[in-house]
Amino acid sequence: EAQVTQNPRYLITVTGKKLTVTCSQNMNHEYMSWYRQDPGLGLRQIYYSMNVEVTDKGDVPEGYKVSRKEKRNFPLILESPSPNQTSLYFCASSPAGGMNTEAFFGQGTRLTVV
Amino acid sequence: SQKIEQNSEALNIQEGKTATLTCNYTNYSPAYLQWYRQDPGRGPVFLLLIRENEKEKRKERLKVTFDTTLKQSLFHVTASQPADSATYLCALRNAGNMLTFGGGTRLMVKP
Repeated sequence: EAQVTQNPRYLITVTGKKLTVTCSQNMNHEYMSWYRQDPGLGLRQIYYSMNVEVTDKGDVPEGYKVSRKEKRNFPLILESPSPNQTSLYFCASSPAGGMNTEAFFGQGTRLTVV
Repeated sequence: SQKIEQNSEALNIQEGKTATLTCNYTNYSPAYLQWYRQDPGRGPVFLLLIRENEKEKRKERLKVTFDTTLKQSLFHVTASQPADSATYLCALRNAGNMLTFGGGTRLMVKP
């Protein structure tokens, strides 16, 4: 089954404790991205990657890191999480092909930083 | 700057009626507008894409129209059902392939 898989689904952590949210897709998509979703603010893009070893900042990259060492994986790293990073996070992937390609989303990761 | 705007107020309609949601955008050209459905706590799911040279697109009970003069897309759910209740998001890619979403409109269909 074609899918984008995020782990974990739920995470409660403490301020300052480094964490990684994993994202993997099995559709051989070139394009992957991370979003956060907050009430009243909608989906905002954190980082995106056009292909292996190519990453770019989205609208809200501060406090996050990403890497794209393999085509299928795109982990999101919070080196020193803070309470304002409490949010619902989504990973998405798309095939290459320009502006008319749809995005496939993971199930989401609900992160709480206390 | 590029903007995508949707009515943030929830839309409440009676079952069987047609729901119409609006998406307005600025400074996207060419415009390939996508619509997604999102259920609470779940990832958005792609529904339809309409290109700027297309006036209308249909998929089952869904219809999307595009007015490039007004820079607006309308999303219609005909013969609505309670199962159609969800948040609907519109989205556009910029020249750098970054996909940006509007804030979404919540649709509530009452039986």
